Order: sequence, then C-alpha cells, then structure tokens
Amino acid sequence: QVQLVESGGGVVQPGKSLRLSCAASAFTFANYAMHWVRQAPGKGLEWVSLISFDGNEKYYADSVKGRFTISRDNSTNTLFLQMSSLRREDTGLYFCVSSSFGLDVWGLGTTVTVSS
Amino acid sequence: EIVMTQSPLSLPVAPGEPASISCRSSQSLLHSNGYIYLDWFLQKPGQSPHLLIYLGSNRASGVPDRFSGSGSGTIFTLNISRVGAEDVGTYYCMQALQTPYIFGQGTRLEIK
Repeated sequence: QVQLVESGGGVVQPGKSLRLSCAASAFTFANYAMHWVRQAPGKGLEWVSLISFDGNEKYYADSVKGRFTISRDNSTNTLFLQMSSLRREDTGLYFCVSSSFGLDVWGLGTTVTVSS
Repeated sequence: EIVMTQSPLSLPVAPGEPASISCRSSQSLLHSNGYIYLDWFLQKPGQSPHLLIYLGSNRASGVPDRFSGSGSGTIFTLNISRVGAEDVGTYYCMQALQTPYIFGQGTRLEIK
C-alpha cells in the first residue's frame, strides 16, 4: 500500500544541522507535491514546507525560511528536509505528507530534539 | 498570513449524539476557480493525522458518510452525525489557499 517512511531524526545541539529523509513507495512519487508538517510535543500541527511535483517550486513557513531547505529526488522516490541553524523550538515530530486531493497520505514521523 | 480559529477547543459528546466543530479564517478561502481550499484532519491518540475532508466538503477516501464538511467564505463547519468511540481525537482545520498553509489550534473531542 501507499507508504511514506521518515528517517534522520535525532538529538542535535542548537545551531547544528540535520537532514531528514522520506522514502515513498507504492505510488508514482514524481506526480505529487510533497509537504513537511511538524508537531511540537503536546502541541498542534504546524505546516513547514511544500515542494512541487517536479521540485521547481518550494515554499516555507516563516519560522523556518532561510534555515530549512526542502528537496526531492524523483529517481529514488525520496523527499528531504535539510535543517540548519536549529533552535530549541524546532523540536518535534516531523511528518512527511503527500498531496493529491488534500494532504492525504502521512508518514509516521521522525523525531527531532534540539537540546544542549 | 491567514489566521485560522477553531471552536470549541474541547468538545465532550455522548455516544450517538451529533457533534459540530467550527473553523473561521481571517480571509476568504474561495479561490477564483470556485473551490474552497479548506481541509479537515483527525489525529487519533498516538497516531499520525489523517485527512477527513478536502476542498471544504469532499470526504477523503474511506471516510464514513457521518462526517460532513460545509461552509463558504470564511466560516466552515465539520459535522459528525453520530459520534462513536472511534471518533475520539483532535480535529484540525487547515487553509490550503495560499502558503504558508495554516492549521487551526485543534479541537479535542472526547466521549462523555
């Protein structure tokens, strides 16, 4: 079945970098826009970033603009989120999401903890 | 940036009773193409969110027909005709008209 599996999370010090990956399977990845959505511990959902199906258009939340970079490799069905200059408030569960009609397929998420 | 406001934030409902969640946007979510870019999600405890309603009133695949979405312009409603134990969780609206996409604060539904 359609599946998104995130990886790359971990514990990192403030100011450092981390790269998240999302492996897609059982659907034509190259046809769909992709998103990252995050959730701080005990908090609500926050949209982080969007990339078009072909990678030509990228959008970011103001809270991550200039620090995070979204990208994709349609040859390997993988979505990425390069996170730099990490802050404590970036701590949370990061979901990879595909969108056809709405944000309709979600991964289980990977946890990022920014702490010294 | 569009601001999304949900109410109530907590919603206790008896089994079999209806439930209604409101979502208000700071500007119209009606696109020039005629579609309303408002989605609804449910996040059950310990799970990833999943899509319930897209484009204001369209049920996502596999969503029971007791869930319905309505509204226009800036005021939207998610209705559950008969609440069951499986509906417990936090419901979010989200505007997808323009970036940054914005979620509402969430409405926690519990069974009385």
